[in-house]
Amino acid sequence: QVQLVESGGGVVQPGRSLRLSCVASGFTFSDFAFHWVRQAPGKGLEWVAVLSHDGKNHYYIDSVKGRFAISRDNSKNTLFLQINSLRPEDTAVYYCARAENPFVVIPAGARIDYWGQGTLVAVSS
Amino acid sequence: DIQMTQSPSSLSASVGDRVTITCRASQGIRSDLGWYQQKPGKAPKRLIYGASSLESGAPLRFSGSGSGTEFTLTISSLQPEDFATYYCLQHNSYPYTFGQGTKLEIK
Repeated sequence: QVQLVESGGGVVQPGRSLRLSCVASGFTFSDFAFHWVRQAPGKGLEWVAVLSHDGKNHYYIDSVKGRFAISRDNSKNTLFLQINSLRPEDTAVYYCARAENPFVVIPAGARIDYWGQGTLVAVSS
Repeated sequence: DIQMTQSPSSLSASVGDRVTITCRASQGIRSDLGWYQQKPGKAPKRLIYGASSLESGAPLRFSGSGSGTEFTLTISSLQPEDFATYYCLQHNSYPYTFGQGTKLEIK
């Protein structure tokens, strides 16, 4: 069955960096695009970024452009989110999520089906 | 960016009630909308995709409708396990955007 397991979260000081990982199993990882979605404590869901199956196409929300970088290693079935210059407002649970349709290249086709359990990033001095 | 306005933000209801949650998109998104259920401390779980298609394994009491800019999620007869927070998500264009969420509480 589809399984997504995030790791790499923790308590970090403002301005520092962190790299989140998401290891996938139960399907052919390299066929699918992936998303990162975050949720601040007690708040709603916020979509953050997407990366195509081949790693060539990505999109970010404006508030993280230039600070976040989404990448993948298809040989290790792993998705990453590099977060630089962390801010208190980046405090959230970060979820990785799979795009349902393989080899999708358009937004409408990359709808989310499966989610990981999330990893908490807390930015505090 | 497409704005998703979800209402109500909270709802108090009883077991057996029929409830409806609405999402309105700031521009037409065809049927590119999903509904997700989230319980405290857990990841979201998809209930509806393509605005009206029931996810495999999801209970038949859940249904979705709408297209363009107006969408609804209906629970025909609330069960105790349905008390959770529900979100709509548009996937018509990037950035994807969620509704603000509807917290469904027991009356």
